[in-house]
Amino acid sequence: EVQLVESGGGLIQPGGSLRLSCAASGFTVSSNYMSWVRQAPGKGLEWVSVIYSGGSTYYADSVKGRFTISRDNSKNTLYLQMNSLRAEDTAVYYCAREGVDGDYRFDPWGQGTLVTVSS
Amino acid sequence: DIQMTQSPSTLSASVGDRVTITCRASQSISSWLAWYQQKPGKAPKLLIYKASSLESGVPSRFSGSGSGTEFTLTISSLQPDDFATYYCQQWRTFGQGTKVEIK
Repeated sequence: EVQLVESGGGLIQPGGSLRLSCAASGFTVSSNYMSWVRQAPGKGLEWVSVIYSGGSTYYADSVKGRFTISRDNSKNTLYLQMNSLRAEDTAVYYCAREGVDGDYRFDPWGQGTLVTVSS
Repeated sequence: DIQMTQSPSTLSASVGDRVTITCRASQSISSWLAWYQQKPGKAPKLLIYKASSLESGVPSRFSGSGSGTEFTLTISSLQPDDFATYYCQQWRTFGQGTKVEIK
C-alpha cells in the first residue's frame, strides 16, 4: 500500500527551529517529486516546497531562505527543516507525492502534522 | 504565476441535489487540473485528475469537465458523505476552496 506518514510537529516559539519527517512506504521517495503543502487554521492549501528525483529543490517565496527540503534515501523519508519560524508558519503540514510531465496531481498525501508557532 | 479562482466559496445543498463547482485559471492550462475533497481534520483526497479522469475508487457521481481556463466539478446526486470542502489545483497553485454545506 502506498502511504505517507508525517511526524515532528509541535509547539515552537517564534524564531525557533523544527524538523518534520515524512516516511514513505509502497514507493521510493528518491524516484519521485515530493512536496510539502501546508494549511493554516481555517484557510486553504498552500504549496511550500518540492524536491525533484534528481535532487533539485524549490521553495515558495514565503519560506525561501528559512526552510530546507531534503530526503534520506536509505530511510525512504522526506524532511522539512524549518528555521526562523514565524507565527504565520502555524499550519498543518502535509507531504505529498507530486505528479510529473504536466499531470501535477498530488497523490498520495500524508495525514498531516500540526506546527504551532507561538510564545 | 497562474491564479486559480473557484466559485462559489460556499454552497448550500440538500441530499440528492446536483452540485456544480467552477474553477477558472488566469491563463490556459490545457487539461492539467485536479480536484480534491477535504473533510475537517483530514488530508485532501484526490478525486479527479487531468480535468476529467476519475481517480480509482472515487464514486461515479463525481465528474470533471473543462479545458483551457474554465473547469467544473459536478456531483450528480449529493450524498451525506459529500459534505466537505473541494479544491481545484494546477501545478503548485490551489483554488481557495468551495465548502459544500447542508441546506
